[in-house]
Amino acid sequence: DTGVSQNPRHKITKRGQNVTFRCDPISEHNRLYWYRQTLGQGPEFLTYFQNEAQLEKSRLLSDRFSAERPKGSFSTLEIQRTEQGDSAMYLCASSFRGQGSGANVLTFGAGSRLTVL
Amino acid sequence: RKEVEQDPGPFNVPEGATVAFNCTYSNSASQSFFWYRQDCRKEPKLLMSVYSSGNEDGRFTAQLNRASQYISLLIRDSKLSDSATYLCVVNEGTGRRALTFGSGTRLQVQP
Repeated sequence: DTGVSQNPRHKITKRGQNVTFRCDPISEHNRLYWYRQTLGQGPEFLTYFQNEAQLEKSRLLSDRFSAERPKGSFSTLEIQRTEQGDSAMYLCASSFRGQGSGANVLTFGAGSRLTVL
Repeated sequence: RKEVEQDPGPFNVPEGATVAFNCTYSNSASQSFFWYRQDCRKEPKLLMSVYSSGNEDGRFTAQLNRASQYISLLIRDSKLSDSATYLCVVNEGTGRRALTFGSGTRLQVQP
């Protein structure tokens, strides 16, 4: 396992189309996070899973956004009816809950860059 | 008011200089604090956790001041490779598990 993997790395779509991003976390990590980042800003929290349960959602996550983690392993983030304002880097991160060094520290994937035309 | 605030910079410093960044947070119940580093067009990576007693890792020193609600990062003997954006990160506690990121401070170390 080489880290958090995200696909696709780049996606260009037309306004109104649906897009889906996939995240494969580090295998022993039970927590998975989605963040969004635009130029010049820090990552903004979207949602968080512990195993398959979605435990927290940001107000940023409008009803056009949905995330799943069906078996507590990989996760998908779908954006329906994309808008130009959705253009951003979508970052996935994972961590493990526990004690000791490394616990609760986020490891990020390389991100999926979305461009909505 | 933003939950986590940082001076965006850029901080332009010569090699070998000492540079310090501060970050303020709004929620006094915040429990965990970190500095992440982000290179251009790359993902953020953990630089160091920030402990109440302060901590040091080589040329990097992090301090936490709970009374004034700020954390700091000091970089000594700057290297060209230190050029990056430094993100202040806070876990707000109160049941939240997500980390809140500041907008970052950009550092450019010049030869």
